[in-house]
Amino acid sequence: GQNIDQPTEMTATEGAIVQINCTYQTSGFNGLFWYQQHAGEAPTFLSYNVLDGLEEKGRFSSFLSRSKGYSYLLLKELQMKDSASYLCGLLYNTDKLIFGTGTRLQVFP
Amino acid sequence: GAVVSQHPSRVICKSGTSVKIECRSLDFQATTMFWYRQFPKQSLMLMATSNEGSKATYEQGVEKDKFLINHASLTLSTLTVTSAHPEDSSFYICSARSSGGALRDYGYTFGSGTRLTVV
Repeated sequence: GQNIDQPTEMTATEGAIVQINCTYQTSGFNGLFWYQQHAGEAPTFLSYNVLDGLEEKGRFSSFLSRSKGYSYLLLKELQMKDSASYLCGLLYNTDKLIFGTGTRLQVFP
Repeated sequence: GAVVSQHPSRVICKSGTSVKIECRSLDFQATTMFWYRQFPKQSLMLMATSNEGSKATYEQGVEKDKFLINHASLTLSTLTVTSAHPEDSSFYICSARSSGGALRDYGYTFGSGTRLTVV
């Protein structure tokens, strides 16, 4: 079967850097997603990794190690608006997308 | 970018009635759509995978007779909650992949979600 683990909650300070980890187990791996979701809203796409390494998009970066079943999302120069849930999503068997429990990030001034 | 329109955004219905939720891909063809439900402060739980022109594939524990999914065209998928009860109250959301966009650029696009309250 498939399994995704990520921390439930994290806190950080405005302007700081935070790393949200995600570990997974699966067969038929086809990619790892990160989404941001504010309360009561739809998730918005942040990143997609299918090969090992780091993908950088502005203040957000995502890393993948397929051999370790490990990914992280790195948020730099944190802003208050970054307070949200961050969902680690696993794409497997070509076209099946499931999510971890989500990490609720609170950014304090 | 790809846009998925989901309606209604909110619905309140009486126990025992049925509710239909629509998801339309506005500027792309979606051969596959996913349906999720989300309880407060919890993550997205995959309910079913909807493929155009064929029967939906339901996840373990999801009642296919209660949650009817129809994907009649490449741009429209519907979820009907039949004989709704208060425990079906939840946030339902669909997602689809743009056939014309790379996953690393757009990922899977989500609808805006439907908050269902059964009273």
